[in-house]
Amino acid sequence: DAGVIQSPRHEVTEMGQEVTLRCKPISGHDYLFWYRQTMMRGLELLIYFNNNVPIDDSGMPEDRFSAKMPNASFSTLKIQPSEPRDSAVYFCASSQWQGSYNEQFFGPGTRLTVL
Amino acid sequence: GENVEQHPSTLSVQEGDSAVIKCTYSDSASNYFPWYKQELGKRPQLIIDIRSNVGEKKDQRIAVTLNKTAKHFSLHITETQPEDSAVYFCAARSGGGADGLTFGKGTHLIIQP
Repeated sequence: DAGVIQSPRHEVTEMGQEVTLRCKPISGHDYLFWYRQTMMRGLELLIYFNNNVPIDDSGMPEDRFSAKMPNASFSTLKIQPSEPRDSAVYFCASSQWQGSYNEQFFGPGTRLTVL
Repeated sequence: GENVEQHPSTLSVQEGDSAVIKCTYSDSASNYFPWYKQELGKRPQLIIDIRSNVGEKKDQRIAVTLNKTAKHFSLHITETQPEDSAVYFCAARSGGGADGLTFGKGTHLIIQP
């Protein structure tokens, strides 16, 4: 298994531009999580999905952020318009419900720089 | 919501000594407590976890303890080695078992040769 796949790995954009981050979870996993990591705020949960349905988006910072999961093998996190304070590493993670506690597997992350 | 505090932010130990990292959580409903290791520029990776019905768990040189009454849990690394140098994050999950994780701010562990 290739693990969680994220693209792009690095993204540099200018303030005001739209940014789309992509994630492919591990095959068979039914939960998908988006996290953001910064030095100041650490690792923060933005949103998570169960069977492609958003369950909790309370961590999404503003309306500029949106996430979708059109099918079990693909999710996007979009920022429109982007701002310099959005610069961070964005991680996608997936897990499989096994009737108890489920380990989350992280992707390699996308390092976003907004100039 | 859940709040996780982690201490210390930086920990420097001599190679071969033990390291202890401590975390507290606020939500008494939290029932799962994983620890992640993150090397520079890499993704967080699970190294050990503990569930609320267990007080202690050990895996070779790594152990985790949980005190539900006091709402704190700790990571213990014995016989530290240079490859243990990394940032370690504790986390807690409340809810039915599949919710997102709330992370501590991380501990930068430095192993001195």
